[in-house]
Amino acid sequence: NAGVTQTPKFQVLKTGQSMTLQCAQDMNHNSMYWYRQDPGMGLRLIYYSASEGTTDKGEVPNGYNVSRLNKREFSLRLESAAPSQTSVYFCASTLGRLSYEQYFGPGTRLTVT
Amino acid sequence: GQQLNQSPQSMFIQEGEDVSMNCTSSSIFNTWLWYKQDPGEGPVLLIALYKAGELTSNGRLTAQFGITRKDSFLNISASIPSDVGIYFCAGTNTGNQFYFGTGTSLTVIP
Repeated sequence: NAGVTQTPKFQVLKTGQSMTLQCAQDMNHNSMYWYRQDPGMGLRLIYYSASEGTTDKGEVPNGYNVSRLNKREFSLRLESAAPSQTSVYFCASTLGRLSYEQYFGPGTRLTVT
Repeated sequence: GQQLNQSPQSMFIQEGEDVSMNCTSSSIFNTWLWYKQDPGEGPVLLIALYKAGELTSNGRLTAQFGITRKDSFLNISASIPSDVGIYFCAGTNTGNQFYFGTGTSLTVIP
């Protein structure tokens, strides 16, 4: 039981490049989330998916897109990376249905130059 | 977005001491959660609170859901070196949007 896994662990992009961050969970959770964490700040929600087939914007969605590929997988795409998107990205999941214990992946450290 | 204020921002304590930290919000929440994050790792859930006034323990950790639903408290008893890390609070109402505090950094001096 791996919990929440994320790939890659580290990534360096040039401004304007695109990439997709992958996330998968094996806990049969219904809801999945993408956060970014910047120094001195807490985690901020980018997008979430309350169930397979649905996605919604969080607090800071600009510059990102997401896909809930199936119940297990939730990907985050940067179409044209900007230096302001340099951050650590975390994927998380919850069972949902009034159970809000949220479990996090190990994170992806992204640097945009 | 909603702001969650955590205090203190950082703490330096001697091993064996008790620790208290708190989190306040301008809005009410139905659920409060506490996490610990080690360097280079993702946050790990410590305690989830679902009812105003609730007091829940997890080993040496005890958390309380404030009666106003706008605050929560975390206590760590008899601290040990492995308690070092950053502690985050989070609140949610529907399980869709979670709002996090800026963290309390804990250093335990052996």
